[in-house]
Amino acid sequence: QKEVEQDPGPLSVPEGAIVSLNCTYSNSAFQYFMWYRQYSRKGPELLMYTYSSGNKEDGRFTAQVDKSSKYISLFIRDSQPSDSATYLCAMRNTGTASKLTFGTGTRLQVTL
Amino acid sequence: GAGVSQSPRYKVAKRGQDVALRCDPISGHVSLFWYQQALGQGPEFLTYFQNEAQLDKSGLPSDRFFAERPEGSVSTLKIQRTQQEDSAVYLCASSGTTGTDTQYFGPGTRLTVL
Repeated sequence: QKEVEQDPGPLSVPEGAIVSLNCTYSNSAFQYFMWYRQYSRKGPELLMYTYSSGNKEDGRFTAQVDKSSKYISLFIRDSQPSDSATYLCAMRNTGTASKLTFGTGTRLQVTL
Repeated sequence: GAGVSQSPRYKVAKRGQDVALRCDPISGHVSLFWYQQALGQGPEFLTYFQNEAQLDKSGLPSDRFFAERPEGSVSTLKIQRTQQEDSAVYLCASSGTTGTDTQYFGPGTRLTVL
């Protein structure tokens, strides 16, 4: 079983919809949680970065972390066709040389 | 440039050939990571450098994989005697002061082994 589980999708939504993306994890040492967006044939681009439990909002994006349930979410409001991409959750512990552990990625398609 | 750059962007190798993949991190970034991303999967950690020191190579899948960063800037990932299972996108990321800072990724090198 992988340390980080993420539904690969694909997830198809109409333009303007609210999108909910989720990951679960098993390693309780993870303290930092990230969401990356990856367009086809591009490298991952950081969207959101949160520490421990709680919510963080940035424009149309909201990240939530529930450490008690080992569950993280990314919400996208007013989704746009330009949001069509693969969304990767990533997490790491507090070590000084902290590699990221990624989920599989969820492929999102926002249709007109 | 301002971001992480990687070359070549695409590489086709015959099984058994050696390949070398280059990463130019963001100027001044101390930490450098290599990840392997198989088709339809998330990136998986290979190795980590702080300056020229390779502090973690626990993710390298076999002794055919070797990475170096001799002057603490540019890094090269070398794969000897390539196998078909080595086909993947190889991503490089760099971060600032320590390995705990945000990691910025390059576009990757797509390796296809025939």
